[in-house]
Amino acid sequence: AQRVTQPEKLLSVFKGAPVELKCNYSYSGSPELFWYVQYSRQRLQLLLRHISRESIKGFTADLNKGETSFHLKKPFAQEEDSAMYYCALSVHDYKLSFGAGTTVTVRA
Amino acid sequence: ETGVTQTPRHLVMGMTNKKSLKCEQHLGHNAMYWYKQSAKKPLELMFVYSLEERVENNSVPSRFSPECPNSSHLFLHLHTLQPEDSALYLCASSQEMGGRGQYFGPGTRLTVT
Repeated sequence: AQRVTQPEKLLSVFKGAPVELKCNYSYSGSPELFWYVQYSRQRLQLLLRHISRESIKGFTADLNKGETSFHLKKPFAQEEDSAMYYCALSVHDYKLSFGAGTTVTVRA
Repeated sequence: ETGVTQTPRHLVMGMTNKKSLKCEQHLGHNAMYWYKQSAKKPLELMFVYSLEERVENNSVPSRFSPECPNSSHLFLHLHTLQPEDSALYLCASSQEMGGRGQYFGPGTRLTVT
């Protein structure tokens, strides 16, 4: 069965510092990977997908099949990036498996 | 309201009550999902509907009964719940059955007493 691991429950960085959220997955096939974000008092929303290779709000994520990782990175964190971030894996075209989430706090 | 809406936003019910959660999507999507978000567990997929047909029942107890009367509405009927069912229940929709951009509702915070 597929599994998504986010080893860091909490991550605190200073404004302007780089931030990296780790995500590892276990799945024998070719997965689709996503990052979702939940800001305070807002709903869960899609941040980015690996297949689109896009940069959203300065965040990027690269799928590394050799290391089975999909880490989320931003070179200069902003206070508005403080949120809960979930890594998710999709198999069978519809089933999303979520990691436990990482709470990011960006301090001034 | 646009997007995915859920009502009620908060619900407290006793173990012998029967209640229903409602989800409505205004995005023209044809797939809808129920998720459970507990404090100590990752987000768990419960049910998936595509074109009003249930395509996934992720080993959910029968005290949870979903209903999808049309592609815009999804219900979760609750009866004889247990305190451990207390959680945030999230509804989501997508353009097609796929993980390509599921749009989530704000959730219903359920407390079972």
